[in-house]
Amino acid sequence: DIQMTQSPSTLSASVGDRVTITCRASQSISSWLAWYQQKPGKAPKFLIYRASILESGVPSRFSGSGSGTEFTLTISSLQPDDFATYYCQQYKSYKTFGQGTKVEIK
Amino acid sequence: QVQLQESGPGLVKPSGTLSLTCGVSGGSISSDNWWSWVRQPPGKGLEWIGEINHSGTTNYNPSLMSRVTISVDKSNDQFSLQLRSVTAADTAVYYCVRGILEGFLDSWGRGTLVIVSS
Repeated sequence: DIQMTQSPSTLSASVGDRVTITCRASQSISSWLAWYQQKPGKAPKFLIYRASILESGVPSRFSGSGSGTEFTLTISSLQPDDFATYYCQQYKSYKTFGQGTKVEIK
Repeated sequence: QVQLQESGPGLVKPSGTLSLTCGVSGGSISSDNWWSWVRQPPGKGLEWIGEINHSGTTNYNPSLMSRVTISVDKSNDQFSLQLRSVTAADTAVYYCVRGILEGFLDSWGRGTLVIVSS
């Protein structure tokens, strides 16, 4: 099984901050990685696939990078709507999610 | 725009079987997609349960495989989840999700809370 580990678990930031979330895979997954955003009481929202390709309609302040075992999600300038929990998900072998990173208001 | 809607009992007794159905609208379940179930225990992260395509080919999370069956009903554009021998640890919000062939999950239902309790 491929395990996914996100860091940090919680991140405190202010509006306008640059925010980076890291996701590590237990073995190489090439670029078979997606990112999701989830707000309380809501279903996750799909943001990025193949590690770096933004889904249509996702603001350009979001970006993804990485390959192999280490990946990052960056929000270039945090907006009020971005306070949420973010999950990475590998799809090289079945599907596995990271444990999530909560981005909270500082 | 495809829409997915979960339905089924919100309360299941321990050792019983959890059964949920997902209705697909705005698109066909016979399209080239995978149809997944994902769950989220209260206050915790996401866990992929398994998936099915329109041909009935399934893939399951190895940790749940012995208790899970996912089936498809093409005539009614729906797919279903059965989880047997449930315990309190199976209490969660269950989401049905459309997966793109590549493997990511692009369209999610709203989710339904299932509580396992006597």
